[in-house]
Amino acid sequence: DIQMTQSPSSLSASVGDRVTITCRASQSISSSLNWYQQKPGKAPKLLIFAASSLQSGVLSRFSGSGSGTDFTLTIRSLQPDDSATYYCQQTYSTPQTFGQGTKVEI
Amino acid sequence: EVQLVESGGGLVQPGGSLRLSCAASGFTFSSYWMHWVRQAPGRGLEWVSRVNRDESSTNYADSVKGRFTISRDNAKNTLYLQMNSLIAEDTAVYYCTRASWDLISNDYWGQGTLVTVSS
Repeated sequence: DIQMTQSPSSLSASVGDRVTITCRASQSISSSLNWYQQKPGKAPKLLIFAASSLQSGVLSRFSGSGSGTDFTLTIRSLQPDDSATYYCQQTYSTPQTFGQGTKVEI
Repeated sequence: EVQLVESGGGLVQPGGSLRLSCAASGFTFSSYWMHWVRQAPGRGLEWVSRVNRDESSTNYADSVKGRFTISRDNAKNTLYLQMNSLIAEDTAVYYCTRASWDLISNDYWGQGTLVTVSS
């Protein structure tokens, strides 16, 4: 199975800050990398698919980049509503696997 | 509007069985692959199983292989997960998710149903 490692596990930032979360795959996954946002008690929500494509309806302050084994999720100008846990996911091979999550506190 | 509504969760004793259902609406259910993903309390996301459009292909996580069975009824727009020989480690919120048309992501998720395995 492909292992996904996110860093950091948690972070605290201020409103307006630029925040970057990284995700590393244990082998090359091309661009088969997605990012999800999960708020407490809620289902995950797709933010970014195929490494850098913004899901419909997601605000443009979220962006993704990377390919191969190293990927990043960037939140430009952090807002209070962005407080959540963020997960990366690879769908390059079955089983799809998720990173352990990054908790973002404002 | 795409909607996925899970049901069937609850408290079950170790060794018991449970069948989860996921009612889909707002899209052509038979055109999409579907997944189950679970999340143990306070933990991360774990993929459980997937089924293709006509149930001719299914896949399972090693942790549930031989115990869980995924199926679908395209006439009823419903996805199922039959869970047998349940163990404490199966305790989790189970999410029904739709695979995007290109299978790249899980683009829609249900609200989840909680399964608790305990004596």
